[in-house]
Amino acid sequence: SQKIEQNSEALNIQEGKTATLTCNYTNYSPAYLQWYRQDPGRGPVFLLLIRENEKEKRKERLKVTFDTTLKQSLFHITASQPADSATYLCALGDLDSNYQLIWGAGTKLIIKP
Amino acid sequence: DTAVSQTPKYLVTQMGNDKSIKCEQNLGHDTMYWYKQDSKKFLKIMFSYNNKELIINETVPNRFSPKSPDKAHLNLHINSLELGDSAVYFCASSQEGSGPNSPLHFGNGTRLTVT
Repeated sequence: SQKIEQNSEALNIQEGKTATLTCNYTNYSPAYLQWYRQDPGRGPVFLLLIRENEKEKRKERLKVTFDTTLKQSLFHITASQPADSATYLCALGDLDSNYQLIWGAGTKLIIKP
Repeated sequence: DTAVSQTPKYLVTQMGNDKSIKCEQNLGHDTMYWYKQDSKKFLKIMFSYNNKELIINETVPNRFSPKSPDKAHLNLHINSLELGDSAVYFCASSQEGSGPNSPLHFGNGTRLTVT
């Protein structure tokens, strides 16, 4: 069966450390993968995109990797800050369904001062 | 100058009622969407419109009917509301349909509670 999974448990990280979030998928043909941030009571906000032929993308303190062999994307926030606390969603652009986005349920990240 | 705005933010209503949610985007995007986010936080696409034409219509009860009067607006009308319709509904837009060059821009959601 097809599925996209993110760690359902909240991730608690000490301020200043690197937070790493995981997105695993099964039985999809991803053309790309997007990461979004969602704050309580708000809509998701786009952060980064990585294509299936790219290994790594960076934007300021954010880094995304994509391993199509492991069927996994990792999302890193370096030098984490309490303001980074939010839920982070991955969304896979599925080649077989004309790039329709398939969403993970998100991982709640808590950065402790 | 909100990019994607939807109203109302909260909607509490009784079973059997009919309600509408409105959405407007001022980004000049061609494609608009309705998503449903359930209690487990999964975002599931309901409808997609490109330039006022229906592109995607996922398995959604026909009590849900989208209306796009122009490419900047996509409203959602729900007839005969049921308890299971309670969720957060998000409107979104993108520049040119699905694709790597078209990240989604979301509104802040409408929390629908059916009692």
